[in-house]
Amino acid sequence: SQQGEEDPQALSIQEGENATMNCSYKTSINNLQWYRQNSGRGLVHLILIRSNEREKHSGRLRVTLDTSKKSSSLLITASRAADTASYFCATDEKGAQKLVFGQGTRLTINP
Amino acid sequence: DAGITQSPRHKVTETGTPVTLRCHQTENHRYMYWYRQDPGHGLRLIHYSYGVKDTDKGEVSDGYSVSRSKTEDFLLTLESATSSQTSVYFCAISPGVTEAFFGQGTRLTVV
Repeated sequence: SQQGEEDPQALSIQEGENATMNCSYKTSINNLQWYRQNSGRGLVHLILIRSNEREKHSGRLRVTLDTSKKSSSLLITASRAADTASYFCATDEKGAQKLVFGQGTRLTINP
Repeated sequence: DAGITQSPRHKVTETGTPVTLRCHQTENHRYMYWYRQDPGHGLRLIHYSYGVKDTDKGEVSDGYSVSRSKTEDFLLTLESATSSQTSVYFCAISPGVTEAFFGQGTRLTVV
């Protein structure tokens, strides 16, 4: 089974609102990453947070990590139509040399 | 896209035929991955490589084999294609188990 599970599976909001997506995972990790995928294209890396970090910011993105709950959240502030995409979390398990993705959240920003 | 090329980009093949997908990189990254993406399943790891001739199975490796005889190329082979292997296949590369760069994907249809 997949390591990461995103919640919700789909999210639709108005432009300008904030969007929050959550990711839960199962094992101990070295880091957690978030990616974006525009329709039909390859994934693009957004941000990486290490297991010893609790929060990280990059522009309009804010990521939190709670290793005790094995969960992470991605907040996109002041959303724009161009943010419409699918968002995936990915984890790097401790002791494993692989990157495992979740099922993704499909975000739609309505103008 | 970060020096990673997948070929072919589209392929239609018949059930029972062998198929090889190629991932080529010019970044000299150590890690290479093959994922498949299907609706409702996100990205699932098929096989990955952490060096020349060093490969390992992912979560959905049955029916697939890989080879990495040189740093720049990672080949994915479907020994005898089945309809269940109809999917979009993505290759990714990374210097460590950190930020990954994705190819544009290969859309494979098995009829």
